[in-house]
Amino acid sequence: GEQVEQRPPHLSVREGDSAVITCTYTDPNSYYFFWYKQEPGASLQLLMKVFSSTEINEGQGFTVLLNKKDKRLSLNLTAAHPGDSAAYFCANTGNYKYVFGAGTRLKVIA
Amino acid sequence: SVLLYQKPNRDICQSGTSLKIQCVADSQVVSMFWYQQFQEQSLMLMATANEGSEATYESGFTKDKFPISRPNLTFSTLTVNNARPGDSSIYFCSSREGGGAEQFFGPGTRLTVL
Repeated sequence: GEQVEQRPPHLSVREGDSAVITCTYTDPNSYYFFWYKQEPGASLQLLMKVFSSTEINEGQGFTVLLNKKDKRLSLNLTAAHPGDSAAYFCANTGNYKYVFGAGTRLKVIA
Repeated sequence: SVLLYQKPNRDICQSGTSLKIQCVADSQVVSMFWYQQFQEQSLMLMATANEGSEATYESGFTKDKFPISRPNLTFSTLTVNNARPGDSSIYFCSSREGGGAEQFFGPGTRLTVL
């Protein structure tokens, strides 16, 4: 089946540094891409939705890049702070079913 | 967005018993999805439930073990039959709003099977 490879599985950065999480996908029909944040003991919170027609999306404190040629999606947290410590998951879908990445556990050290 | 509520928040049960997890949406939704998440792992889609039809199960999940009901457009129930310690995980329901592609997730039900 279609797969999404997410890297790195664990990431530790100092407060104020940037953090980059990358997903590569295989489904050529993927059209929608998503980043979710899951704080410890909590549910998934949608951070951003990206359509295949867009390449760069900016949110509050982060940027999402989509490289369709390389089938790569990245989340760049700029100036990370301790509140960013969480698990981050990418997901994509070409139809209605999600394919999730394995997740990245980010720890921001004050 | 869609707001989803789950009940119970957590449960502890003995091996061999069955338990039900309820999911309620704040608006009518066509599809509801059930996911399983083991600690420190990603989410795995268990099944898709549409109103009035049998749920569609993903590989590794069966109707006998995880029967799902979807009696109306705002409600779904996941049952875990013959619970085993290996079923200990968090169960999430999710859904989409209208024609949107993004899924919204319920708060999850943390199940511990002794």
